[in-house]
Amino acid sequence: DTGVSQDPRHKITKRGQNVTFRCDPISEHNRLYWYRQTLGQGPEFLTYFQNEAQLEKSRLLSDRFSAERPKGSFSTLEIQRTEQGDSAMYLCASSSQSFEQYFGPGTRLTVT
Amino acid sequence: LAKTTQPISMDSYEGQEVNITCSHNNIATNDYITWYQQFPSQGPRFIIQGYKTKVTNEVASLFIPADRKSSTLSLPRVSLSDTAVYYCLVGDGPGGNTGFQKLVFGTGTRLLVSP
Repeated sequence: DTGVSQDPRHKITKRGQNVTFRCDPISEHNRLYWYRQTLGQGPEFLTYFQNEAQLEKSRLLSDRFSAERPKGSFSTLEIQRTEQGDSAMYLCASSSQSFEQYFGPGTRLTVT
Repeated sequence: LAKTTQPISMDSYEGQEVNITCSHNNIATNDYITWYQQFPSQGPRFIIQGYKTKVTNEVASLFIPADRKSSTLSLPRVSLSDTAVYYCLVGDGPGGNTGFQKLVFGTGTRLLVSP
């Protein structure tokens, strides 16, 4: 069990640039989640996939954000035209039919 | 989803038992109570989940009174490595009608364990 992996671990970008993050869930998990966490706060839910279908999206996920999970395996989260307010830790989690979500180490985004 | 209230921070010493209480006055009949632990620069890690009375695993115990309006996470004999943020969450448990669990985190309790 290699756990949930995320790439990159850190990303520094200039305002207005596009960024893309990748998440590789635990291989047998069909459910995948994205969360965002800012300093001193708990993670906030962004979106949820069951296999390749995106079944839930938070209002936090503006039209500059898009997530995909082709073939129900890895997932990508893209942010277009980044803003300083997008600076945060982006966390990915996966689960099977059970309630326990397994989180990755996160991608820390800094927008300058 | 039910809102939770927990202390912002707690201090303890190695070897002591730590009890973190969480209030969830508006918990729904179908809601379960779940605790996660988070170390700096890491994602949260599931600790324990329960519905009522007491649940125990190799890491912690969870005490839930009959009215379920609060719960207490108990960490026996803490060590320095237990220094972390602990989150109390309520929401759908196994077999919930949403088909998945959207975790709603509060600000958590920062536990500092000193030598």
